[in-house]
Amino acid sequence: GENVEQHPSTLSVQEGDSAVIKCTYSDSASNYFPWYKQELGKRPQLIIDIRSNVGEKKDQRIAVTLNKTAKHFSLHITETQPEDSAVYFCAATPYNQGGKLIFGQGTELSVKP
Amino acid sequence: DAGVTQSPTHLIKTRGQHVTLRCSPISGHKSVSWYQQVLGQGPQFIFQYYEKEERGRGNFPDRFSARQFPNYSSELNVNALLLGDSALYLCASSAETRPSYEQYFGPGTRLTVT
Repeated sequence: GENVEQHPSTLSVQEGDSAVIKCTYSDSASNYFPWYKQELGKRPQLIIDIRSNVGEKKDQRIAVTLNKTAKHFSLHITETQPEDSAVYFCAATPYNQGGKLIFGQGTELSVKP
Repeated sequence: DAGVTQSPTHLIKTRGQHVTLRCSPISGHKSVSWYQQVLGQGPQFIFQYYEKEERGRGNFPDRFSARQFPNYSSELNVNALLLGDSALYLCASSAETRPSYEQYFGPGTRLTVT
């Protein structure tokens, strides 16, 4: 079955710097890759997603890139702010298994003012 | 417009007991998925239901069961609770079951088994 690996597990940046989180997946047929942000004690919140027919997607300060050949995708956050501090999870949906998300282990991002 | 709701918020149970967790999806959403999130880890898929039918099952023992009602709300049942079942149980809803449909999570139920 699908397996998602996420790196790094912790990331500390200065306010205003960029942050990059990387994920790899094992099932080449997976075709949907969302990113979730989870603040302490709160629900995972969908922040951006990308489908397998797209290489890059941007939404203001966040962007996601997908390399299907290498089976990896990345989250890029520019001009980081203290409120970006949270745990970020990548996920993948196996082909024809809509509604099933396989999550990475999470990255704890800390943005220092 | 209400998001996904779950009840109860917190629950403390003893080993061997059973528990029922409830979820109401976003209005208009027909698919509900359940996840278990152990502290410090990513959510793990338990079940998905669509139009009252089970569409997917994760690698969890038969002690875990679920169902979906005609109004698309759902229940997750866990029997013979073990200490290792202590976790945050998350429900997510989506409009369809196709892979590219976004899933939105509820606030979760924190289950503690003593």
